[in-house]
Amino acid sequence: SQKIEQNSEALNIQEGKTATLTCNYTNYSPAYLQWYRQDPGRGPVFLLLIRENEKEKRKERLKVTFDTTLKQSLFHITASQPADSATYLCALRGAAGNKLTFGGGTRVLVKP
Amino acid sequence: EAGVTQSPTHLIKTRGQQATLRCSPISGHTSVYWYQQALGLGLQFLLWYDEGEERNRGNFPPRFSGRQFPNYSSELNVNALELEDSALYLCASSGGTVGQPQHFGDGTRLSIL
Repeated sequence: SQKIEQNSEALNIQEGKTATLTCNYTNYSPAYLQWYRQDPGRGPVFLLLIRENEKEKRKERLKVTFDTTLKQSLFHITASQPADSATYLCALRGAAGNKLTFGGGTRVLVKP
Repeated sequence: EAGVTQSPTHLIKTRGQQATLRCSPISGHTSVYWYQQALGLGLQFLLWYDEGEERNRGNFPPRFSGRQFPNYSSELNVNALELEDSALYLCASSGGTVGQPQHFGDGTRLSIL
């Protein structure tokens, strides 16, 4: 069965450093991979989408890579700030259907 | 631009009752998706509606149903509520073009007593 794994342990990081989150998947051939941020009691907020034929995407301090051979995506937050503290979700989508399959999320805590 | 809006914010029901949750998509979006986020289980896909039709359904019993109206807003109905239906129900919308990201509302917190 399809499986998407994100590090369930919280990531504690010092302000100004780069946070790197991992999303690994098995038994899946996604056409798109999306990253979301979710704050407590709120819905996920879309951050970045990367397609299967793209290696890297950037948006401001965010960078995502997609390696379909390793079946892995890395999500980087550079120059992290306390306001970046949240849970980050990885979601995959196949080419046929539009449903998203989510990982369990990684909680990030940026300390001043 | 207004985002996805959901109502009510909170809903308290008892076992066996029926719940109706509502969602208004971002203007111009034709697809609406419903997800369940239960404690410890992560986000699970429930239903996808596009142009008024149900296009895909997740692994949930038939007592979870919904519809999409001509204005693209949507309703999720849950019949014969069970304690394990307690969760945050999230609605998302996307444009009709393939590959568009889904944008979420802040959800309806459904509590079953």
